[in-house]
Amino acid sequence: NAGVMQNPRHLVRRRGQEARLRCSPMKGHSHVYWYRQLPEEGLKFMVYLQKENIIDESGMPKERFSAEFPKEGPSILRIQQVVRGDSAAYFCASSPPSVNTEAFFGQGTRLTVV
Amino acid sequence: GDSVTQMEGPVTLSEEAFLTINCTYTATGYPSLFWYVQYPGEGLQLLLKATKADDKGSNKGFEATYRKETTSFHLEKGSVQVSDSAVYFCALSDRNTGNQFYFGTGTSLTVIP
Repeated sequence: NAGVMQNPRHLVRRRGQEARLRCSPMKGHSHVYWYRQLPEEGLKFMVYLQKENIIDESGMPKERFSAEFPKEGPSILRIQQVVRGDSAAYFCASSPPSVNTEAFFGQGTRLTVV
Repeated sequence: GDSVTQMEGPVTLSEEAFLTINCTYTATGYPSLFWYVQYPGEGLQLLLKATKADDKGSNKGFEATYRKETTSFHLEKGSVQVSDSAVYFCALSDRNTGNQFYFGTGTSLTVIP
């Protein structure tokens, strides 16, 4: 059973471009979480999705950021018109629908905006 | 709402020293509690977990006991090694909030030979 797969591992974008980050959850996992981590800082929750639904997006900036988890295919975190402050590591985690179980993390996508 | 508060870092210890990283939580229901570890350049890995009061999670010499009376889940290890240098995150998952996960801010540990 493959783990949570994120790609790309590293992404460089120029200011104003779009960044698209992908996350394939573990098999059987229908819950996906996205987090942002700045250097030397903790995890900041961004969004929690279940298949085709956004459950909690309280951590997402209101503009330029969006996320989806379609019925088929990976979850996508999209950042439009990137700025230097978007440079960070973005982590995806997934969990099965059952309770009392842990979330499994991907290796992250390190976004650098130049 | 639910939240996790953990000890501020960074923590620096000599090899074979005793480690404690404090973690307390606030939750509306009966959460599951976790400790994750993050090595440089990597994602978070589950270190241990406990799903109900008085449960003790353990792994790789690390232990933490789910204390409902003090709402705590402190991480301990009797003798740390250089290879334990990493960032440690306390977390909870609460079915009352639809399996949302809440993480502490992380505690950086450096073990020196």
